[in-house]
Amino acid sequence: QQPVQSPQAVILREGEDAVINCSSSKALYSVHWYRQKHGEAPVFLMILLKGGEQKGHEKISASFNEKKQQSSLYLTASQLSYSGTYFCGTESHSWGKLQFGAGTQVVVTP
Amino acid sequence: NAGVTQTPKFRILKIGQSMTLQCTQDMNHNYMYWYRQDPGMGLKLIYYSVGAGITDKGEVPNGYNVSRSTTEDFPLRLELAAPSQTSVYFCASSYEGGKDSEQYFGPGTRLTVT
Repeated sequence: QQPVQSPQAVILREGEDAVINCSSSKALYSVHWYRQKHGEAPVFLMILLKGGEQKGHEKISASFNEKKQQSSLYLTASQLSYSGTYFCGTESHSWGKLQFGAGTQVVVTP
Repeated sequence: NAGVTQTPKFRILKIGQSMTLQCTQDMNHNYMYWYRQDPGMGLKLIYYSVGAGITDKGEVPNGYNVSRSTTEDFPLRLELAAPSQTSVYFCASSYEGGKDSEQYFGPGTRLTVT
């Protein structure tokens, strides 16, 4: 069962904030976040592990609620470069085998 | 480092033809993956490998085959192409699982089957 992302799309003005959510019906080992710009490959943003460990870009923040199998990605003081489609990927074991959500399209306007 | 490279970038196949998508990484990563991405959708895992000689099926393996004879290369074989295999194919690699499992993606191969 793939994770469910919400919202499907969001439009922001530069400087505004947004939250993207990712939830799973299965117990999770980790949650990954990637951003994909149109016509390009996905790019790694962050990984959040069971137990609280995180690894990723300094300017990106995210949370992982292990009890609820939910993760949220926070886009703060958005910039034009934040535009793209954001995907969460979840795994139940430490094997690197991810299931990706359908994505959240983010458009940041001047 | 070139990272993850894929060839070809584009390909048009006729129904029933076969082809191999090439993927190479120069980061000495142990884990490699093949995904397909249909328009407006997320990524679906086709096959993955945790090391040379070891491969396993992902969510959507039917119609595909893989091999991993070296750490660097992970080719994907399409046998008897069907229109349902029209998609963008991404190869990715990661050092391993766990906290070092961030995946690095190649530029993709856009495949059309007509």
